[in-house]
Formats: sequence, C-alpha cells, structure tokens
Amino acid sequence: EVQLVESGGGLVQPGGSLRLSCAASGFTLSDHYMDWVRQAPGKGLEWVGRTRNKDHSFSTEYGASVKGRFSISRDNSENLFYLQMNSLKSEDTAVYYCVRGYNGFDIWGQGTMVTVSS
Amino acid sequence: DIQMTQSPSSLSASVGDRVTITCRASQGIRNSLTWFQQKPGKVPKSIIYDASSLQSGVPPKFSGSGYGTEFTLTISSLQPEDFATYYCQQYDGHPFTFGGGTKVEMK
Repeated sequence: EVQLVESGGGLVQPGGSLRLSCAASGFTLSDHYMDWVRQAPGKGLEWVGRTRNKDHSFSTEYGASVKGRFSISRDNSENLFYLQMNSLKSEDTAVYYCVRGYNGFDIWGQGTMVTVSS
Repeated sequence: DIQMTQSPSSLSASVGDRVTITCRASQGIRNSLTWFQQKPGKVPKSIIYDASSLQSGVPPKFSGSGYGTEFTLTISSLQPEDFATYYCQQYDGHPFTFGGGTKVEMK
C-alpha cells in the first residue's frame, strides 16, 4: 500500500526550529517528486515547497513565505523526506502535509501539527 | 505568482443536483490543474489531475474540464458524501498556488 506518514510536529517558540519527517512506503521515493503543503487552522491550503526526483537531481523549489527559512531534503535509502523549518513565526502555525507529486498530487500523509507560540 | 480564483466561494445544493465549480488562473497554465476534496478535519483527497483526468478510485460522477485560464469541476449528481470543500491548484509555475476553496453545503 502506498502511504506517507509525517512526524515531528509540536509546539515551538517564535524564532525556533523544527524538523518534520515523512516516511514513504509502497513506492520508491527517489523516483518521485515530493511536496510539502500546509493548512493554517480554519484556512485554505498553501504550497510550501518541492523536491524533484532523481532525474532532476532532487532540486528544490519553495514558496515565497518560507524561502530562505525552510529547506527540503530526503534520504532516499531510508525512504524519508524532510522539512527543516528555521526562524519560525506565528504565521507558520499549521498542519503540514507531505504529498507525492505524481498525477498531480496523488497521495497525502495524515498531517502533523506545528504550533509556533510563546 | 499565478493567482487562482474559485467561484462561487460557497453554494447550497440538494442530493441529486448537478454542481459546477469554476477556477480561473491569472495567466495561462495549460492543463496543469488539479482538484481536491476536503471534508472537515480530514486530509485533502485528489480527485482530478491534468485538468480532466480522474484520479484512480474516484467515481466518474466527478469530471473536470478546461485549458489555459478557465477550468471547471462538475459533480453530475450530488450525493451526501460529496458535501465538502473543493480546492483547485495550479502546478504549471512556481510557486504552486491554490484557489480559495468552494464549500458545498446541503440546501
């Protein structure tokens, strides 16, 4: 079964850092583009960033609101996908989803909540 | 950035109704558009990709159309499980952007 499972969310103070992980199963991570999408409480969806597949050297793209603060990486040997979040702000409070970028965005994880608050 | 405008932002409909939601892009995005369904407290679910291709396992009551700047999602006969919020998203150019959502409520 193709599945994505996020972990690593929690409460962090403004200015702090957090790393989210996404464990992929049922497919070969290196073959696929992978994305992070977030949703603030009661709000719509916001694309955070992407890493391309091995054919495109795992290059990355980011949304404007997180560029320079967040970084995406992967450990293909372990089928893990990461979102490193630095200099966190209150407006980064959201559920973070990892998403497979195949046929659009076909598979979503269950999400992990990140709360930025003092 | 490419702006995605959905209309209406909400609609009321009855079981059995045909429902159409529109998504407009601020510039041409070819057919690089996907639709998601999200129920309260649940994970978004992909229903259409490449503007008109049905995601695996999604019933054919859902259909998508459009190219360039104007797109539609149609539910041919609304069922109780279809009451949800629907989002479009473009993936033609970075940053990828979502529409604001259309909430389909029971009349």
